[in-house]
Amino acid sequence: GAVVSQHPSRVICKSGTSVKIECRSLDFQATTMFWYRQFPKQSLMLMATSNEGSKATYEQGVEKDKFLINHASLTLSTLTVTSAHPEDSSFYICSAYRTGVNQPQHFGDGTRLSIL
Amino acid sequence: AQSVTQPDIHITVSEGASLELRCNYSYGATPYLFWYVQSPGQGLQLLLKYFSGDTLVQGIKGFEAEFKRSQSSFNLRKPSVHWSDAAEYFCAVGLPSGGYQKVTFGTGTKLQVIP
Repeated sequence: GAVVSQHPSRVICKSGTSVKIECRSLDFQATTMFWYRQFPKQSLMLMATSNEGSKATYEQGVEKDKFLINHASLTLSTLTVTSAHPEDSSFYICSAYRTGVNQPQHFGDGTRLSIL
Repeated sequence: AQSVTQPDIHITVSEGASLELRCNYSYGATPYLFWYVQSPGQGLQLLLKYFSGDTLVQGIKGFEAEFKRSQSSFNLRKPSVHWSDAAEYFCAVGLPSGGYQKVTFGTGTKLQVIP
């Protein structure tokens, strides 16, 4: 079964709205989570690394004031797209690691964000 | 920086035929290697992974992959494709970074299965 839950699965909202996406690890603690963005017919691009209890690490070119990440607990990371515009429309996917040796990332089912 | 190449953007195979999806990586050492599958509008599901040891890795859904160091390749194979295998497949490379792996994905190969 799913080990990483992402919510909501789909959001449609007006331009200028802020949207929050949640990523939860269901049966394990995740000190590190990741947020990816996927444009249509393209691969996943890492946006940021979310660290529990500390600031997120953003990849080059990702606006940290635009994409706010909060990792307040060991099972929850949130991505808030602030003042969203149509160009922010995309598929956002989170992932999390189980603690331990040689563990792969487990992915959520993604959030389809559409800004009108 | 590491990179991952999936040379085939789109592949069509007949149901029951064998499948091989190509993946090449560029990195100075042996990275962690993964294959993920993504159905439309869904997240990614891990098919298999290679960290070390036996270079032939068995995964879920009847998939396997072979790590060939000399060719910097990690091709995915399945002896007999089912219609439900139609999806997009991503090869990924993971490099250790501060206690976890920083993963780079290939551009994906879309698999179409025809009756």
